[in-house]
Amino acid sequence: QVQLVESGGGVVQPGRSLRLSCAASGFTFGLYAMHWVRQAPGKGLEWVAVISYDENNEYYADSVKGRFTISRDNSRNTLYLQMNSLRAEDTAVYYCARGGDYPWFDSWGQGTLVTVSS
Amino acid sequence: EIVMTQSPATLSVSPGERATLSCRASQSVSSNVAWYQQKPGQAPRLLIYGASTRATGIPARFSGSGSGTEFTLTISSLQSEDFTVYYCQQYNNWPPLTFGGGTKVEIK
Repeated sequence: QVQLVESGGGVVQPGRSLRLSCAASGFTFGLYAMHWVRQAPGKGLEWVAVISYDENNEYYADSVKGRFTISRDNSRNTLYLQMNSLRAEDTAVYYCARGGDYPWFDSWGQGTLVTVSS
Repeated sequence: EIVMTQSPATLSVSPGERATLSCRASQSVSSNVAWYQQKPGQAPRLLIYGASTRATGIPARFSGSGSGTEFTLTISSLQSEDFTVYYCQQYNNWPPLTFGGGTKVEIK
């Protein structure tokens, strides 16, 4: 079955960087667009970024554009999110999610918590 | 950016009764709406896509309807495991992909 496992979260100071990973299994990773979605503590869901199946296209939420970079390694079945210049408002659980035939999210990882605090 | 507005924020319903959750888009999104269920401490789960198509393994008591700007998620007979939070999401005009603020279904 589809499995997505995020890692790399933790506590980081404002202005620093962090890289999240998402290991995929149970499906042909290289055929699917992949997304990052985040959820601040006690809040709703916020889409962060998407990368196409072939890495040719990336799109970002305005709130992270220029600071975050999504990437993937189809040979390793792994999705990444490089987060630079982190701010307190980036504190959230970060989920990786598989894109459906259209950009809905048909499978989700369990999430990894990123806390930005001095 | 398309704003998705869910109402009510909290819905109180008795077990076995019907729950009707609403989602309104700030402009037409055709039928490009998905619904998700999120239980405490868990990732969201896809329930509905294309406004009315149930995802794999979703019970028939969950149904979606609507098009344009008005959408509804109906749970026909609430089971104990259904009392949680639900989100709508549009994928018609993006980026960005946008979610509603959520509706919490609680036991009356």
